[in-house]
Amino acid sequence: AAGVIQSPRHLIKEKRETATLKCYPIPRHDTVYWYQQGPGQDPQFLISFYEKMQSDKGSIPDRFSAQQFSDYHSELNMSSLELGDSALYFCASSYRTGGKSNQPQHFGDGTRLSIL
Amino acid sequence: AQTVTQSQPEMSVQEAETVTLSCTYDTSENNYYLFWYKQPPSRQMILVIRQEAYKQQNATENRFSVNFQKAAKSFSLKISDSQLGDTAMYFCAFKGPSGGSNYKLTFGKGTLLTVNP
Repeated sequence: AAGVIQSPRHLIKEKRETATLKCYPIPRHDTVYWYQQGPGQDPQFLISFYEKMQSDKGSIPDRFSAQQFSDYHSELNMSSLELGDSALYFCASSYRTGGKSNQPQHFGDGTRLSIL
Repeated sequence: AQTVTQSQPEMSVQEAETVTLSCTYDTSENNYYLFWYKQPPSRQMILVIRQEAYKQQNATENRFSVNFQKAAKSFSLKISDSQLGDTAMYFCAFKGPSGGSNYKLTFGKGTLLTVNP
């Protein structure tokens, strides 16, 4: 079965640079979530999109922005990168149209971002 | 806001034995969803099992089962016949009922399980 695809798998940037992470959800999934997992930490929710509209916002810095496109893929844009942004960034997708809130989120393999 | 607590940072078990990981949560909601995710050294996040709060029957997936105690707000994971491939970080996660900001997952801090040969 198709899974959530994230690219790139690894990304190395320097401080103050920008980065773009991409996420391709499972086909027919209408909701995308972004999570940040720092070293030795649990995943923290950043932002989500449902049917291409922002659905919920968590602890996402103002330096970060995201959007979901017409083909349902999503991009997380990160600017003025800081050392503390080094983390594993997960994208997850689910299907919730029709109030199907019981559908689980399926995670991609993550993008490991390292800031030098 | 919901909170999820995993009180066991690390656990170990011998291969073929049974181990139980603990999770408690705090919420004022009556209907919600609970999950266990597994994160092996490869860092993938893999769904292990899920439980819907309105279902009294405990969920079971092969060697994995849960003990869901709604009144006590407890959601433990039992792994039977432990295998070396079960070595991973296990996260307990909570999701609220549909609507508003309830679709996101709130994770516990995780329990690192090591299965010894």
